[in-house]
Amino acid sequence: EADIYQTPRYLVIGTGKKITLECSQTMGHDKMYWYQQDPGMELHLIHYSYGVNSTEKGDLSSESTVSRIRTEHFPLTLESARPSHTSQYLCASQIAGGPNEQFFGPGTRLTVL
Amino acid sequence: GENVEQHPSTLSVQEGDSAVIKCTYSDSASNYFPWYKQELGKRPQLIIDIRSNVGEKKDQRIAVTLNKTAKHFSLHITETQPEDSAVYFCAARSLRGTGNQFYFGTGTSLTVIP
Repeated sequence: EADIYQTPRYLVIGTGKKITLECSQTMGHDKMYWYQQDPGMELHLIHYSYGVNSTEKGDLSSESTVSRIRTEHFPLTLESARPSHTSQYLCASQIAGGPNEQFFGPGTRLTVL
Repeated sequence: GENVEQHPSTLSVQEGDSAVIKCTYSDSASNYFPWYKQELGKRPQLIIDIRSNVGEKKDQRIAVTLNKTAKHFSLHITETQPEDSAVYFCAARSLRGTGNQFYFGTGTSLTVIP
């Protein structure tokens, strides 16, 4: 079934650890996004990509990096996690061309101790 | 960049009544305005959207209106049901810069009281 997947769904780690949040979509979408969202609060764009080898920073600087080596895969890496990174991270994808719906993944809830 | 404001932040209505959520945006070049519903612990899901060349769109109990001149758009839910309880987010797609950033409102927590 065409969908967007995120792993892990929940992660608890210690300060200073390097982590990678995985996002994959099987919808063939060119555009992919990472958002940070505290529970019930607004979504803040962290990174986005228009296609392979294309990445851009969003408005929220979260000291993270992304890569887009394959169309279906858009991982987010935190080099050194801090308690301020505790949040939910949502991945989204969108078909190319024109104003179209973004489809969201189920999210990764990250807690940094 | 674009700035989207959403009101109210919380809304309680009796089952069967109507609910209205309003959003304003700042960038006149924005051309696409989706509304997302997010239930507790779940991902945001699109419920309705409107493009800038349309003033109103309706889908059963849900409607969205857009006033480009005033730069505001509203979500209307009629005959509310308990399962409508969720957080609703508006968004605007900006054509500035690289041309495809979505800016989200701060969300409205809707509670429908049975």
